[in-house]
Amino acid sequence: AQKITQTQPGMFVQEKEAVTLDCTYDTSDPSYGLFWYKQPSSGEMIFLIYQGSYDQQNATEGRYSLNFQKARKSANLVISASQLGDSAMYFCAMREGREWGNKLVFGAGTILRVKS
Amino acid sequence: GAVVSQHPSWVICKSGTSVKIECRSLDFQATTMFWYRQFPKQSLMLMATSNEGSKATYEQGVEKDKFLINHASLTLSTLTVTSAHPEDSSFYICSAGGGNNSPLHFGNGTRLTVT
Repeated sequence: AQKITQTQPGMFVQEKEAVTLDCTYDTSDPSYGLFWYKQPSSGEMIFLIYQGSYDQQNATEGRYSLNFQKARKSANLVISASQLGDSAMYFCAMREGREWGNKLVFGAGTILRVKS
Repeated sequence: GAVVSQHPSWVICKSGTSVKIECRSLDFQATTMFWYRQFPKQSLMLMATSNEGSKATYEQGVEKDKFLINHASLTLSTLTVTSAHPEDSSFYICSAGGGNNSPLHFGNGTRLTVT
């Protein structure tokens, strides 16, 4: 079974508007972490935001926020005020367990295109 | 912040030769590093977990004799693609954790083309 599911292969958003990228996950471990990474065409993986399973509040980092719905096992990324430079592939990932050295499992990714 | 350096960023080699890719943690020690493989427009697939001072742990379906991993120090892991074939052409990317309360950081990746 897929541990991380991203159902949107591609998304378009108008510049300056907000966009939500969907991510659902599956785990039986009560301790886990959820990550979002951005991968531009150059290939580098850029860390955006992190949400721990025990965190009470939704994570925010600048224009990025994570809509964490624990009961629904969803961790959607919200990008506000989209910019042309936001065009990239976005990956949701999960780490199971408490150890920060544990491996990440990635979703299939969503290609975001920002239109001017 | 934590930085992971990967070298080379791209390499072209002939079929049958071996290629070594280095992954270094520049400002932290990493007892564990991870090697991923990514085909165009696809997700990152974990190949193996590199453990400092011990054998790597390979994911199911990954040939350990073909993808040799050495983690000889706390700041360096290497992936050697042995007897490379065109189907090994891919984007290889490493990652390492910066410790508690720090996300995994990634190298910039190596684009391997086998001709």
